Amino acid sequence: ETGVTQSPTHLIKTRGQQVTLRCSSQSGHNTVSWYQQALGQGPQFIFQYYREEENGRGNFPPRFSGLQFPNYSSELNVNALELDDSALYLCASSSDSHAYGYTFGSGTRLTVV
Amino acid sequence: LAKTTQPISMDSYEGQEVNITCSHNNIATNDYITWYQQFPSQGPRFIIQGYKTKVTNEVASLFIPADRKSSTLSLPRVSLSDTAVYYCLVGDMDNTDKLIFGTGTRLQVFP
Repeated sequence: ETGVTQSPTHLIKTRGQQVTLRCSSQSGHNTVSWYQQALGQGPQFIFQYYREEENGRGNFPPRFSGLQFPNYSSELNVNALELDDSALYLCASSSDSHAYGYTFGSGTRLTVV
Repeated sequence: LAKTTQPISMDSYEGQEVNITCSHNNIATNDYITWYQQFPSQGPRFIIQGYKTKVTNEVASLFIPADRKSSTLSLPRVSLSDTAVYYCLVGDMDNTDKLIFGTGTRLQVFP
């Protein structure tokens, strides 16, 4: 079975621009969560999608938005990028059983200049 | 969601057993305890999960006392490749299953 894949792996954007990050969930998983991890910190929960519906949101502004598609892949969109948005963005997928926790991708390293 | 407290860092040597304790005084009845491992520039990797007593897999053991207010991740005979950050999380996996990470424990293994 394939794991969670994220694209791109690295990205450099200018302040004020918009960015879209993509995530393919692990086969058989219907839930996708997005996390932001600043250097030296633990991952911070952005939001979760379950069967194409948002299923919980962390303390992030509305310029962070997402989508989940019928094949359970997902996108994270960030508008009006700020310098503090520079971070590792992680996608995690899970199934209804949660028997083996969440499976994380390797992340997208976003740098805003 | 229950908050967790872990040591910021720990040092060990190859071949030793490492025990990382996590405090979760406000754990709820439906909460499970899960540990993740993270290497630099990679996503966290699931290690082990438990509800009570002891759980063991091929990687680690998880000890949970009867009051469930703490848990201990035990890594037998660590190697250099076990150098990583270890996160303890608690949550209701059937309801509010959005993982809340703390700052984790940075384990450094020396030769």
